Amino acid sequence: QVHLVESGGGLVKPGGSLRLSCEATGFTFSNYYMTWIRQAPGKGLEWVSHISSTSGSYTNYADSVKGRFTISRDNAKNSLFLQMNSLRAEDTAVYYCARDDKIFHHWGQGTLVTVSS
Amino acid sequence: DIVMTQSPDSLAVSLGERATINCKSSQSVLYSSNNKNYLTWYQQKPGQPPKLLIYWASTRESGVPDRFSGSGSGTDFTLTISSLQAEDVAVYYCQQHYSLPLTFGGGTKVEIK
Repeated sequence: QVHLVESGGGLVKPGGSLRLSCEATGFTFSNYYMTWIRQAPGKGLEWVSHISSTSGSYTNYADSVKGRFTISRDNAKNSLFLQMNSLRAEDTAVYYCARDDKIFHHWGQGTLVTVSS
Repeated sequence: DIVMTQSPDSLAVSLGERATINCKSSQSVLYSSNNKNYLTWYQQKPGQPPKLLIYWASTRESGVPDRFSGSGSGTDFTLTISSLQAEDVAVYYCQQHYSLPLTFGGGTKVEIK
């Protein structure tokens, strides 16, 4: 069965960087787009970024993270990444990875990122 | 960007009664080439990731109880829980995947009266 496990979250100071990972099992990872979605504490869901299947040559970002976040993938390791730079307090959230079938059938449990001095 | 507006923000319903959640998109999410509405509903319980309930506005995900149903087209959509059960207490979100950026409604919290 599809299983997604995020890691890499933690406490970071404003202006700092963090790299999130999402390990995928149970499906042919390279065949699927993958997405990051985040949820600030007590708030709703926000789409962050997605990356195309196979080569990962096609990426898109929410305006709120464009130029600061970079999505990438390593198909050999069945892994998705989110490099987050110039972090701000408003980036504090649980970050979920999801398999992107246009419809998000499968989500990970999420990893918490806290940006605070 | 397509803005998704849910109503109400919260509702309290007695066990066994009907719960109705509305979702309105700022522009149509009906894709004319395949006549599909690119509208999805999720359920989220505390401490858990969202769970897919309904996609294409009215197709129930495998394993989702048939008391959950979705309806609507174009810009106006409804999620109905026909007979509320205790395990349905959650926040419900609609989401459009018609165009980027993908956007979600603000959520509707469902509680037991």
